[in-house]
Amino acid sequence: KAGVTQTPRYLIKTRGQQVTLSCSPISGHRSVSWYQQTPGQGLQFLFEYFSETQRNKGNFPGRFSGRQFSNSRSEMNVSTLELGDSALYLCASSLQGGETGDTQYFGPGTRLTVL
Amino acid sequence: SQQGEEDPQALSIQEGENATMNCSYKTSINNLQWYRQNSGRGLVHLILIRSNEREKHSGRLRVTLDTSKKSSSLLITASRAADTASYFCAPLGGGANSKLTFGKGITLSVRP
Repeated sequence: KAGVTQTPRYLIKTRGQQVTLSCSPISGHRSVSWYQQTPGQGLQFLFEYFSETQRNKGNFPGRFSGRQFSNSRSEMNVSTLELGDSALYLCASSLQGGETGDTQYFGPGTRLTVL
Repeated sequence: SQQGEEDPQALSIQEGENATMNCSYKTSINNLQWYRQNSGRGLVHLILIRSNEREKHSGRLRVTLDTSKKSSSLLITASRAADTASYFCAPLGGGANSKLTFGKGITLSVRP
């Protein structure tokens, strides 16, 4: 079974631009979560999608948004990029997610650099 | 939701030694999970322990859970250089809005 894939793996943008990251979950997984990882803040939860609906959201500004498609693939978008958005963005999929507490399978991440 | 707090922040040991990492949390949980992350890559699930379990083993890993102290520990026995990574605990509470929340992790260095 193929693992979680994320595209692109690396991205360089400039301040003010917007970016879209993509995540393809493991086949059969309906929950997709997104995390931002930086050296200073560690691993922070962005949001979770389940069956095309945002089920949970972290404490990030509205510039961060996401969506999930009917095939469970998910995208996250960051508008008006700031230098502080430079981070490793990780996507994780699980069968049900949420309160079931089932295992999350992580993708390799997208390394975003904002100049 | 709640975040696990790992301790120590960094640990350096010799190959062959055991590594013990601790995690504390604040409110009641359904389960607690441990993950490993090799430098700059995605996290890999190691083990899940449910709130009604006290100890669980997986290969060289042993996880304990003490719900009265709201703490968990991860023991890696006979460590190898390949165990060098960051380790995260993620407690999961209950309720429809539950989500895994990670702490800052423990950086383990195993010297060959």
